[in-house]
Amino acid sequence: DTGVSQNPRHKITKRGQNVTFRCDPISEHNRLYWYRQTLGQGPEFLTYFQNEAQLEKSRLLSDRFSAERPKGSFSTLEIQRTEQGDSAMYLCASTTTLRSYEQYFGPGTRLTVT
Amino acid sequence: AQSVTQLDSQVPVFEEAPVELRCNYSSSVSVYLFWYVQYPNQGLQLLLKYLSGSTLVKGINGFEAEFNKSQTSFHLRKPSVHISDTAEYFCAVSDTNSGYALNFGKGTSLLVTP
Repeated sequence: DTGVSQNPRHKITKRGQNVTFRCDPISEHNRLYWYRQTLGQGPEFLTYFQNEAQLEKSRLLSDRFSAERPKGSFSTLEIQRTEQGDSAMYLCASTTTLRSYEQYFGPGTRLTVT
Repeated sequence: AQSVTQLDSQVPVFEEAPVELRCNYSSSVSVYLFWYVQYPNQGLQLLLKYLSGSTLVKGINGFEAEFNKSQTSFHLRKPSVHISDTAEYFCAVSDTNSGYALNFGKGTSLLVTP
């Protein structure tokens, strides 16, 4: 069990560019969640997957955001036409259906939009 | 809809003193309750959780919390803190209606000084 991993750990981009983050969950975890944490705030739910199906999306997930989990393993979160307000820590968590209340978090990807 | 309120944004305390971090929640359905800790530049680590049963739950690193349904509270306590407990602490709730997506408070910064 190597834990949840996220890449890259840090990303600096210019406003208007597209960025993509990757999350590798703990093996055999079929549920995967994305959260966003801005400075001084608690994490906010963005979306989650069960296997490859995206089951829920928060209203925070504007149409510039898209998430995928094509084979039910790793997931990607893409932000198109980044804005300065997108600067945040993007956290991924994974779990199993039977124990969905117990989520294991990755270290996060810190995005800075200049 | 759920909401979580962490009543203190910062709690300074001396080493070996007791500490209580306060959390209140609101929800129209039964919830699961959690405390997470976040060390600088790291992801979230689960300290403890309340699912059902005994209202006093014990977690890692000597922390415990008590679920009080009538007061809708889930306060975190530790009888004697260490310097290494300095971190950000988040209270969170989830329920089955939201796919167990976590709804976090804004966090409490615990600063332990010698």
